[in-house]
Amino acid sequence: EAGVAQSPRYKIIEKRQSVAFWCNPISGHATLYWYQQILGQGPKLLIQFQNNGVVDDSQLPKDRFSAERLKGVDSTLKIQPAKLEDSAVYLCASSLEAGRSYGYTFGSGTRLTVV
Amino acid sequence: LAKTTQPISMDSYEGQEVNITCSHNNIATNDYITWYQQFPSQGPRFIIQGYKTKVTNEVASLFIPADRKSSTLSLPRVSLSDTAVYYCLVGDQSGGSYIPTFGRGTSLIVHP
Repeated sequence: EAGVAQSPRYKIIEKRQSVAFWCNPISGHATLYWYQQILGQGPKLLIQFQNNGVVDDSQLPKDRFSAERLKGVDSTLKIQPAKLEDSAVYLCASSLEAGRSYGYTFGSGTRLTVV
Repeated sequence: LAKTTQPISMDSYEGQEVNITCSHNNIATNDYITWYQQFPSQGPRFIIQGYKTKVTNEVASLFIPADRKSSTLSLPRVSLSDTAVYYCLVGDQSGGSYIPTFGRGTSLIVHP
């Protein structure tokens, strides 16, 4: 089966600019996650969707970050305006069933550099 | 969520067995122990999961003592391609509320 697709793979922007990342999960996976991974650290959950509804966004900096999952399939994560500390890899993951650790598939991520 | 503690880094050589131990002193009754592997420029990948005693699959073994306060991921006869970061996760999977929560992980470097 096809994996989780993310684009772009790399993005360089100046601070205060806006940027958007796209994720296409595995077909049929109802649950979708966005993680932020800063260099040298483990991934940190930003937001979890179940179909097109938000389940958990407690760690999403809502003053600058937003995410949506229209029609319960693809998802976009936006940052506006970007700060230097947003430089990280943004990972998308999906799972068929929420609440089980073994069914998660991660994409390769988008590496964002804010200069 | 129970906190986990792992060594920051480990070194090994090709063909050796590697054991990475994770400490989770506050593990709860319903918590499972899960290990993920992450290669550079890729997202984490599920390796193995267990609740107690020993679990083995085609990639690794997971040893969990009776008190479940620690666990050991065992990689038999590692190769250069096993160079990666390994994450130990602990969480309750009952009720559909589990969300993979990652620590800093253990960076394993396998030398020729």
